[in-house]
Amino acid sequence: SYDLTQSPSVSVSPGQTASITCSGDKLGDKYTSWYQQKPGQSPVLVIYQDNKRPSGIPERFSGSNSGNTATLTISGTQAMDEADYYCQAWDSSTPFVFGTGTKVTVL
Amino acid sequence: QVQLQESGPGLVKPSETLSLTCTVSGGSINNYYWSWIRQPPGKGLECIGYIYYSGSTNYNPSLKSRVTISVDMSKNQFSLKVTSVTAADTAVYYCARVKGVAEGMDVWGQGTTVTVSS
Repeated sequence: SYDLTQSPSVSVSPGQTASITCSGDKLGDKYTSWYQQKPGQSPVLVIYQDNKRPSGIPERFSGSNSGNTATLTISGTQAMDEADYYCQAWDSSTPFVFGTGTKVTVL
Repeated sequence: QVQLQESGPGLVKPSETLSLTCTVSGGSINNYYWSWIRQPPGKGLECIGYIYYSGSTNYNPSLKSRVTISVDMSKNQFSLKVTSVTAADTAVYYCARVKGVAEGMDVWGQGTTVTVSS
C-alpha cells in the first residue's frame, strides 16, 4: 500500500504564512490534491494537480510537489483558514490515497 | 450547480450489509468518476473506491472483498454496499464527484453518519 504522512498540527499567526507538508515515496511523480475540512463540514478541494486552484479558492492558497514532498502554502493566513487539511495522491496504482491530515490553528 | 445527497440507514447491525445511495442533482452522472469516502469519528479520510459512469470500478484494497459500488444512470444515482460490517465501519460516509483523472474531488455530499451497533 502507499502511505502519505503529514505533520499532525501547524500553528500560525494571522497574516503569516502556513506551510503544510505531505510526504510519500516518489510523491513528486504523482499528482497531488489538497482538501480543507472545517469541523462538522464536508471537505473542500483547494488545490488539484499539485498547484491548480479550483474556481472560488482564494489566491493565498498555493501548492507545489517535488521529490518525496508536496506542500500546501497559505499566504496571509486568516482566521477562516483554521481547519484540517488533507493531501491526496493520484496514481494509476494508488488511486485516492489520503494523507493523515494536519490541523491548522490560527493563533 | 451540481449537488450530491447521500441517503440510507443510519444504523446497521453487525454482520449485516450497509447500503447507501448518492443522488446527483443539477447535472448528469455522465462523463465523470464518482467516489465514496468515509471518515471514522475523530479520524481522517479513507477512500472506499470509485466508479466511472460507464460502470468500471476501482476499490481500496483494504476493503475490496466487502465492497460493491454501482451506478444507475437512469436515476442519476450511484450506490455503495459494504458487507459483513463491524463497529470499525462506523463512520461518516461521503459521496463525491471526481473532477477528472488526477484532478481531485470537486463536489461533495454533506455526508451521512452510519453507526454499526446491535
